[in-house]
Amino acid sequence: GEDVEQSLFLSVREGDSSVINCTYTDSSSTYLYWYKQEPGAGLQLLTYIFSNMDMKQDQRLTVLLNKKDKHLSLRIADTQTGDSAIYFCAESTFSGGYNKLIFGAGTRLAVHP
Amino acid sequence: NAGVTQTPKFRILKIGQSMTLQCTQDMNHNYMYWYRQDPGMGLKLIYYSVGAGITDKGEVPNGYNVSRSTTEDFPLRLELAAPSQTSVYFCASGAGPIGTEAFFGQGTRLTVV
Repeated sequence: GEDVEQSLFLSVREGDSSVINCTYTDSSSTYLYWYKQEPGAGLQLLTYIFSNMDMKQDQRLTVLLNKKDKHLSLRIADTQTGDSAIYFCAESTFSGGYNKLIFGAGTRLAVHP
Repeated sequence: NAGVTQTPKFRILKIGQSMTLQCTQDMNHNYMYWYRQDPGMGLKLIYYSVGAGITDKGEVPNGYNVSRSTTEDFPLRLELAAPSQTSVYFCASGAGPIGTEAFFGQGTRLTVV
């Protein structure tokens, strides 16, 4: 079945790079997403990658997609305290008659001085 | 910019009580969704709507009902609250089907005791 897995916690020092990893199961996914959730807030789309791309860079964010291994990663360069949040990986998939987003459980990123 | 607004933010219900979680969006989006987020888990789709008057079940619809009488509003109804419905509920909207960007509300934290 469909499943998205990611590690639950990551702790990094301010100024270092953070790498959040995600694996998914649906090889037919068209889009893969990274959402950010700050405390007490809803999810906010951070970036996404189309399935025919290997890499996407957007300022401090780099998304790498390995379709063969069904592995997605989000790299945040020069991590700041404001980056502390929960990061959700999600894949878009079509099943049961409709398109849907399958979310991972989220990775809590803690940035310390 | 209001975006997606959910009320209430917090609620405690007794077993067997009923309540309606409100969701409204001001972006004229056709697509709206209700998700629940359990601790340590990804978001699960409860119900979704592709336009006023049209709703359909998601992955975990049991115990819930929805209606979509206007483009803006998509309330979620719990008729007989059960402890298993203790969760954080997120409403989201989007211009296209799931797979395009979804905008999320801040969430409603519901506890059933």
